[in-house]
Amino acid sequence: QTVVTQEPSLTVSPGGTVTLTCASSTGTVTSSYYANWFQQNPGQAPRALIYSTNNKHSWTPARFSGSLLGGKAALTLSGVQPEDEAEYYCLLYYGGVWVFGGGTKLTVL
Amino acid sequence: EVQLVESGGGLVQPGGSLRLSCAASRFTLSTFWMHWVRQAPGKGLVWVSHINGDGSSTNYADSVKGRFTISRDNAKNTLYLQMDSLRAEDTAVYYCFAAEGHWGQGTLVTVSS
Repeated sequence: QTVVTQEPSLTVSPGGTVTLTCASSTGTVTSSYYANWFQQNPGQAPRALIYSTNNKHSWTPARFSGSLLGGKAALTLSGVQPEDEAEYYCLLYYGGVWVFGGGTKLTVL
Repeated sequence: EVQLVESGGGLVQPGGSLRLSCAASRFTLSTFWMHWVRQAPGKGLVWVSHINGDGSSTNYADSVKGRFTISRDNAKNTLYLQMDSLRAEDTAVYYCFAAEGHWGQGTLVTVSS
């Protein structure tokens, strides 16, 4: 059973920078895991932010960026805005199937 | 504006079946891999299944393999999820989403007697 692990919660100050990570129980996350990142606000559908590790959708704000960091996939928010407070999920590809992480609740305080 | 609209959810008894639909507008479904994802009340996202552009390749999470079937009708620009032998633990909001990034608003499936 493959497990994808994210920080359960993080807190950041407005204007600050925060990095969310996504680890795989199988080992180092590489570009072959095609990491995706999604944002979800309460009561709403998720919104796609990043695909294939570091590619932004046309609607993704510039302050969001994806990368590989220390063997994990990472989502960095630079210049955090109050509206960035949300749940964030990563999604990794395992050669045919995909697995979501458990989500990170980001609080902007 | 691109839209993906799910339908077909509802209340069903354990062991029953439902077919979910995901209709696309201003968006050509056949161009992309499509996914179904679910979210139980108060819980996180769970990947369920995906299908390639022409429907020739599909995959499923272990929890639904053998019970759920994903398919698509590109002529109708619609994605489907046939759900059989439903269990209480299948209760969730089901979302479709396209590999290019668009998501539907979800449809609620409740499995209960």
